[in-house]
Amino acid sequence: DVKVTQSSRYLVKRTGEKVFLECVQDMDHENMFWYRQDPGLGLRLIYFSYDVKMKEKGDIPEGYSVSREKKERFSLILESASTNQTSMYLCASSWGTRGRDTQYFGPGTRLTVL
Amino acid sequence: AQSVTQLGSHVSVSEGALVLLRCNYSSSVPPYLFWYVQYPNQGLQLLLKYTSAATLVKGINGFEAEFKKSETSFHLTKPSAHMSDAAEYFCAHHGGGATNKLIFGTGTLLAVQP
Repeated sequence: DVKVTQSSRYLVKRTGEKVFLECVQDMDHENMFWYRQDPGLGLRLIYFSYDVKMKEKGDIPEGYSVSREKKERFSLILESASTNQTSMYLCASSWGTRGRDTQYFGPGTRLTVL
Repeated sequence: AQSVTQLGSHVSVSEGALVLLRCNYSSSVPPYLFWYVQYPNQGLQLLLKYTSAATLVKGINGFEAEFKKSETSFHLTKPSAHMSDAAEYFCAHHGGGATNKLIFGTGTLLAVQP
């Protein structure tokens, strides 16, 4: 079974702090994704990566950056956390670049910024 | 722009009743369509997907969905609801191009009444 793990289930940070969210997948997947999930808005793509050190902006990249130094690990960075970044963050991975490939999700990190 | 519309943010059914969750997509390219389920405090799990094979797709837990090109729909059904089906359901569509991006609907929260 594919396993996608996220470093924390719950995280509380203060405004202005630098925040790192880590995601690891164990299936040698090419693609990795970061989404944020907010009530009534569904999932919105922040960034994705299709290879080591490669990244592309999603629909809402402002205020976020990412890092992918190793194939299995994809990090989401909030350089200076703000209260409007309080949300559920979901990481996903998938095998190839075909549209039919399933994305596998981690359990999510619920981030609260005070 | 491509989009996914889920009609009804909240659906309530009685245990044993038919479940029908609606999803419409807009796309000018052959679609790859997905239904994911999210149980409380968990990540998303794939229920089923359409990849241009049979138009009636069977998934896990007794769910199925029918692709109707003429209606641009991919509605999710289950003949008899169970209490354990209470969850949030997301329809998703491949975002097109050479990447594996998905466009998600805003979700439908299914409640099952005893």
